Amino acid sequence: EIVLTQSPGTLSLSPGERATLSCRASQSVSSSYLAWYQQKPGQAPRLLIYGASSRAAGIPDRFSGSGSGTDFTLTISRLEPEDFAVYYCQQYGSSPWTFGQGTKVEIK
Amino acid sequence: QVQLVESGGGVVQPGRSLRLSCAASGFTFSSFTTHWVRQAPGMGLEWVAVVSSDGTTKNYADSVKGRFTVSRDNSKKTLYLQMNSLRVEDTAVYYCAREGVCGGDCYAGPFDIWGQGTMVTVSS
Repeated sequence: EIVLTQSPGTLSLSPGERATLSCRASQSVSSSYLAWYQQKPGQAPRLLIYGASSRAAGIPDRFSGSGSGTDFTLTISRLEPEDFAVYYCQQYGSSPWTFGQGTKVEIK
Repeated sequence: QVQLVESGGGVVQPGRSLRLSCAASGFTFSSFTTHWVRQAPGMGLEWVAVVSSDGTTKNYADSVKGRFTVSRDNSKKTLYLQMNSLRVEDTAVYYCAREGVCGGDCYAGPFDIWGQGTMVTVSS
């Protein structure tokens, strides 16, 4: 099983600031199979990034993904009020599908 | 519009059974692999089960293997999760999710469509 470890657990930032979220895998993940999701309270997760760096339909370009092998990053270039949420990375290239434990981006 | 809607959640005693349903609309359900994912209160996401588009291939998380069964009825555009021998630790919101089509040289897609979730509480 591929274990994904996200850091930090919580990121306290102000609107307009840049957010950098990390996802580290216990073994190499093909970059084709690494996704990022956003989840707000009481809502289902929403796909943001797939294939490590491709934005899903309708996702603003302030969201970007990068990385390869065991280290991946989600960057939000300038935080908007609606971006404060929990973010999860996921590998979907091998069973069992696994998620990171999440990073909460909160308003400072 | 493209949508998944779960139902069937509720409160159940340990050791009992429950069946969840997930109704699809707005897309060709029979063309997509679909998954169940759960989220315990205040916790992260945990993948539970997957069934291929034609229903012939299934896989489960170790935590539910032998107790849960995933199935689908493509004529009804519905996904199911039969949960037996429920435990307190199965308490969670259960989501169904569509595995999106991956373009190009790949064999699996991300979870591009999610339902709103249905709550399952296992308690005596």
